[in-house]
Amino acid sequence: DIVMTQSPDSLAVSLGERATINCKSSQSVLYSSNNKNYLAWYQQKPGQPPKLLIYWASTRESGVPDRFSGSGSGTDFTLTISSLQAEDVAVYYCQHYFSASVTFGPGTKVGIK
Amino acid sequence: QLQLQESGPGLVKPSETLSLTCTVSGGSISSRSYYWGWIRQPPGKGLEWIGSIYYSGITFYNPSLKSRVAISVDMSKNQFSLKVSSETAADTAVYYCARQPRGGDPYYFDFWGQGALVTVSS
Repeated sequence: DIVMTQSPDSLAVSLGERATINCKSSQSVLYSSNNKNYLAWYQQKPGQPPKLLIYWASTRESGVPDRFSGSGSGTDFTLTISSLQAEDVAVYYCQHYFSASVTFGPGTKVGIK
Repeated sequence: QLQLQESGPGLVKPSETLSLTCTVSGGSISSRSYYWGWIRQPPGKGLEWIGSIYYSGITFYNPSLKSRVAISVDMSKNQFSLKVSSETAADTAVYYCARQPRGGDPYYFDFWGQGALVTVSS
């Protein structure tokens, strides 16, 4: 199985500043035949189900603010919140879907400094 | 508007079998575009994929849970169900059902239910 790791475990950022979360997979999730990275990002606020933010590593889900962006390829990926808002306080998870046996990263908690 | 709703007992005794159902409304479970999955989250911890099913009955399971898990689909009721046998306290979690777009294998989870807390305790 592909193991997903995330860093940092938590971070605190001032309102309006940039937040950067890293995700690493134990093997490449780039499918060479279509040049797509099989990687998604989710946001989970307390007491709520996760919400899909990004898929194919960099495609924003409909309705997701453009301050959220995803980048990376192969085994190393980044979720960036360009200007942190109070409503972005949450835990963020990455997930691969390179195989049918999908796995999630352990999560990164984002708070306000 | 697609909605997924988990239902089932909130309390299960150790060694017994957990049974949950996810009812899909606002969309058809027999759509060829989607798998339907179960994910769980122990209190204060991260997300763990349990398994996924296609309307035709094709299933994929988490290897670590495969021996204890069964997922089935009931197209007549637009529902899919989860059974986890030999429950222990480690199975206490919020259980989510969710939709997975597919292009062959299942992909990410784009719609989620609100979740159902299941506690394993005598």
